[in-house]
Amino acid sequence: DGGITQSPKYLFRKEGQNVTLSCEQNLNHDAMYWYRQDPGQGLRLIYYSQIVNDFQKGDIAEGYSVSREKKESFPLTVTSAQKNPTAFYLCASSIGGQGWQTQYFGPGTRLLVL
Amino acid sequence: KQEVTQIPAALSVPEGENLVLNCSFTDSAIYNLQWFRQDPGKGLTSLLLIQSSQREQTSGRLNASLDKSSGRSTLYIAASQPGDSATYLCALSGYGNNRLAFGKGNQVVVIP
Repeated sequence: DGGITQSPKYLFRKEGQNVTLSCEQNLNHDAMYWYRQDPGQGLRLIYYSQIVNDFQKGDIAEGYSVSREKKESFPLTVTSAQKNPTAFYLCASSIGGQGWQTQYFGPGTRLLVL
Repeated sequence: KQEVTQIPAALSVPEGENLVLNCSFTDSAIYNLQWFRQDPGKGLTSLLLIQSSQREQTSGRLNASLDKSSGRSTLYIAASQPGDSATYLCALSGYGNNRLAFGKGNQVVVIP
């Protein structure tokens, strides 16, 4: 089956710890995205990548980092600099980075702080 | 900066009634508008995508309209069912990129 997988489903972070959220897609899409969703809020863009080895900051990139070494993978690291990391994180992909192309979403990872 | 508003934030309707969900936006220079469905604790599923040159899109019981001049889109769900209970999100993309601006969603409960 083609699609987007995110792991883990739940992730717990201790104070001062960096954690990495996984996002993998087998749709052969060039563009990938990371969004953050807080309760009762719309999604906010953290980072996006339109091609391998290239990525851009979104609206709330502070305290986060990404890499795009492979087309299929776009991991997100939540660093200790992110003071309020508790949220639902969604990864998405699209064929390309143009505005007319539908984004397909993964099932999400819920990050909680211990 | 594009601002997207969805009203009402939450609503309940009896099964069988038609649902009307509204989305308004401040910048009419959009490339397309999408409606997504989100079930609790899950990812988003794309329902309908309307290009800026189109006025509406239909899929089964769902119909979405777009009026760029007034900055409004409406999602219409005919003959609602309990399985339609979910949060519906409106999102817009601008020209030259695929960065989506999202509304906060309409949380819908269909009562059997």
